[in-house]
Amino acid sequence: IAGITQAPTSQILAAGRRMTLRCTQDMRHNAMYWYRQDLGLGLRLIHYSNTAGTTGKGEVPDGYSVSRANTDDFPLTLASAVPSQTSVYFCASSTNRDSSKLFFGSGTQLSVL
Amino acid sequence: GQNIDQPTEMTATEGAIVQINCTYQTSGFNGLFWYQQHAGEAPTFLSYNVLDGLEEKGRFSSFLSRSKGYSYLLLKELQMKDSASYLCAVTDSNYQLIWGAGTKLIIKP
Repeated sequence: IAGITQAPTSQILAAGRRMTLRCTQDMRHNAMYWYRQDLGLGLRLIHYSNTAGTTGKGEVPDGYSVSRANTDDFPLTLASAVPSQTSVYFCASSTNRDSSKLFFGSGTQLSVL
Repeated sequence: GQNIDQPTEMTATEGAIVQINCTYQTSGFNGLFWYQQHAGEAPTFLSYNVLDGLEEKGRFSSFLSRSKGYSYLLLKELQMKDSASYLCAVTDSNYQLIWGAGTKLIIKP
């Protein structure tokens, strides 16, 4: 079934540890995104990629890094996790970054203690 | 700054009609989206408006007035499965998507 796969589904992490959230899509979409969703706030963009080989910073990029080595994969890395990074993380993709609709992965619930 | 406003929570009765409003202030406008998000799940696309007027899709309709910075999502013949959060999002002049915090819709029998 075509779509976006995120892993892990949930994770509890000690502060200071490094963590990579995985995201893979098989729809051959050019653009991919990482969002975090916190209670009472709208989705906030962390990083995005318009096409393989390029990445850009979103609204809340500090403490996170991404890479886009190919079209399908867009991992998000927390180099040294802090409790304020406790959130639900969604990966999304779209055909292009130009008003096309987003397709979301099922999300990763991350708790940093 | 850029801002999207929508009510935090609304309650409606099964079989009734509900209108969820969204007002926006953004630097430019390239389209407005509505997404549905059930608790614990990912958002899914509902509708897209770029021109003024009403877009109808089954029980759901979305309206846009660009001059007023205003949109609404109209849900008819409400079903229990419509209990969810509804997210309004606007694409600005840089094609950045600005999200509202969402409206939690509670459907009562």
